[in-house]
Amino acid sequence: GAVVSQHPSWVICKSGTSVKIECRSLDFQATTMFWYRQFPKQSLMLMATSNEGSKATYEQGVEKDKFLINHASLTLSTLTVTSAHPEDSSFYICSALTGVGEAFFGQGTRLTVV
Amino acid sequence: DAKTTQPPSMDCAEGRAANLPCNHSTISGNEYVYWYRQIHSQGPQYIIHGLKNNETNEMASLIITEDRKSSTLILPHATLRDTAVYYCIVRVAGANQGGKLIFGQGTELSVKP
Repeated sequence: GAVVSQHPSWVICKSGTSVKIECRSLDFQATTMFWYRQFPKQSLMLMATSNEGSKATYEQGVEKDKFLINHASLTLSTLTVTSAHPEDSSFYICSALTGVGEAFFGQGTRLTVV
Repeated sequence: DAKTTQPPSMDCAEGRAANLPCNHSTISGNEYVYWYRQIHSQGPQYIIHGLKNNETNEMASLIITEDRKSSTLILPHATLRDTAVYYCIVRVAGANQGGKLIFGQGTELSVKP
């Protein structure tokens, strides 16, 4: 299957700082990518849809000014958690759609805010 | 919101077939049934998908009822490495129509020696 890579795999940051997570489609171009958040023992929650060259579409209840998404190329989308706080600690996962609409996932990024 | 219902957990003996059910009674005519699994602390892994015919690949088989209101994922010979949370998702597929994947709670499959 297609390969989606996230970086970093894990990150620890201080409260109040910002953290950027990258999602790359390695062997295909992805016009659309999705960002999810997952808390322990819970399912994946869709945060936003990232569209290349346009603004992201956020799900209800997700703060767009806190979770900045940039999809500047067909192989890269970034999620920036601004002014992170301990409650933002979570597992963040991206997914990219292939040209035929199939979805492949990155390996996830574990964010810990201290 | 998720459109599927799955049992929260199941056990399976190693080497035996694991049959994971999923109810999707409100599925639309253009929606496919997808199965993903998530091993602890990893991103979800695609397993299989289908529209109305039964499907088989190297990982699993997918059996969809004739009315399409339910399906079963079959792992023919479960191994310990198949221990994971299995998610059944319905979505529109195809270029320019790739719908969002909305995850329900999934089934936590434990394969035991």
